[in-house]
Amino acid sequence: DADVTQTPRNRITKTGKRIMLECSQTKGHDRMYWYRQDPGLGLRLIYYSFDVKDINKGEISDGYSVSRQAQAKFSLSLESAIPNQTALYFCATSAGRSYGYTFGSGTRLTVV
Amino acid sequence: AQTVTQSQPEMSVQEAETVTLSCTYDTSESDYYLFWYKQPPSRQMILVIRQEAYKQQNATENRFSVNFQKAAKSFSLKISDSQLGDAAMYFCAYRGYSGGSNYKLTFGKGTLLTVNP
Repeated sequence: DADVTQTPRNRITKTGKRIMLECSQTKGHDRMYWYRQDPGLGLRLIYYSFDVKDINKGEISDGYSVSRQAQAKFSLSLESAIPNQTALYFCATSAGRSYGYTFGSGTRLTVV
Repeated sequence: AQTVTQSQPEMSVQEAETVTLSCTYDTSESDYYLFWYKQPPSRQMILVIRQEAYKQQNATENRFSVNFQKAAKSFSLKISDSQLGDAAMYFCAYRGYSGGSNYKLTFGKGTLLTVNP
C-alpha cells in the first residue's frame, strides 16, 4: 500500500455540490498538507495541520474546509464547488522542517 | 514571503545529452532547504534531490546534480545522460529553517522537460 493514499483518484462534480477529498497516511507523520496544482501556477497551499487540534489556513483557503479526523487522516471539503476549483489536488505529509514531503497520487477534480 | 522562480516554462534535450534547469529564490534567511521534485505524466510527485543551505557541497544523486550558489540565491538542476524516462515537469521548492517559513514548502511554477529520442 502507498504511504499516502488519496481518494478518489478522479472526480467530476457539478457546480454547487459539496465534495470531500480524503487522505490517509501510514508514515506516522504529524504534519499534513493540502495543495492544489494548476497549469502554469505550480502548487499552492490550501490548508495544513500539525496535529489533530492544530489546523491552519494556507494561501488559498477560501471556498475550502478541512478536517483532521486522526493523526493519519486529513480530509479536504469543497462546500459548494465552482468551476474554478477544477484542479489537481495533492495531499502531502512531512516528518519535519528538514525534510521534504511525501505526496499522495493526487485527485483530479473537475467541476462542471 | 519567500518566492521561488523557475524562468524556463519548457525545456527540451536530446537523449543522452545534458540539460540544466534553472531556479532562483528570494529569502532573507541564512539557513534553509531546497528541493527538486519530478512529476512524470503519472502525476506522482517524486523527490529528486535535496540541498541544505549550510552545506557548501553540491548534492548529487546518480545522474542528477545541483549547482547551489547561495550568494546568488540560485539552485539549478543538472541532468546528465538524459533518458526518455526523465521527461516530466520539474518543480523547485524552498523550505525555511526557522520562524514562519519552516512549516511548508514553497514551489516554483515548474519546468516541463521533453526528452527527444
